[in-house]
Amino acid sequence: DTEVTQTPKHLVMGMTNKKSLKCEQHMGHRAMYWYKQKAKKPPELMFVYSYEKLSINESVPSRFSPECPNSSLLNLHLHALQPEDSALYLCASSQVWTIQETQYFGPGTRLLVL
Amino acid sequence: KQEVTQIPAALSVPEGENLVLNCSFTDSAIYNLQWFRQDPGKGLTSLLLIQSSQREQTSGRLNASLDKSSGRSTLYIAASQPGDSATYLCAVRSTNAGGTSYGKLTFGQGTILTVHP
Repeated sequence: DTEVTQTPKHLVMGMTNKKSLKCEQHMGHRAMYWYKQKAKKPPELMFVYSYEKLSINESVPSRFSPECPNSSLLNLHLHALQPEDSALYLCASSQVWTIQETQYFGPGTRLLVL
Repeated sequence: KQEVTQIPAALSVPEGENLVLNCSFTDSAIYNLQWFRQDPGKGLTSLLLIQSSQREQTSGRLNASLDKSSGRSTLYIAASQPGDSATYLCAVRSTNAGGTSYGKLTFGQGTILTVHP
């Protein structure tokens, strides 16, 4: 099983809402990632977890709050977002930084903030 | 700071042509380089990964080469098909001062490929 799943596929939220994105993998990977991708742009790294601990935070605003409750799950909690946060949010997982590491991406959650 | 550039930004070819996509990076201290494919509104699919010590990797009609010293990689697609139409992204994983990596990928802007019948 080389699949990373993400839910929901689409999300519309107001600026005062609180919502969460969910990512799951069962490949035994101990590194998990959140990326943000705007239209016609490449993905931008937001957070990296290794062994369930946050190892990289790319200066992301605090209205995005990641959580890794176990080795298979990664959440992204959203609160008080802005319309410019509308984007495709991608989750990925990999082995922990071997030289042959390939990152496996999920299909993404398309977020629209009104 | 690593910067990755892809040329061309867009490419339109007739079915059956062989084609080359280019990727260049500014810092040669890389861990590995990956080529991804992304269909509109979808996630990324890894096509090929080249380790820093390797020169090329092949998978089916795809061949990727790496020249670390010159900071370049190419993706060669043989006998293109309409199903190859997608955005192709090059991503570099750099090493830190200790020679290891924290898993951060730096992506190029992508090449939008259209193969028409």
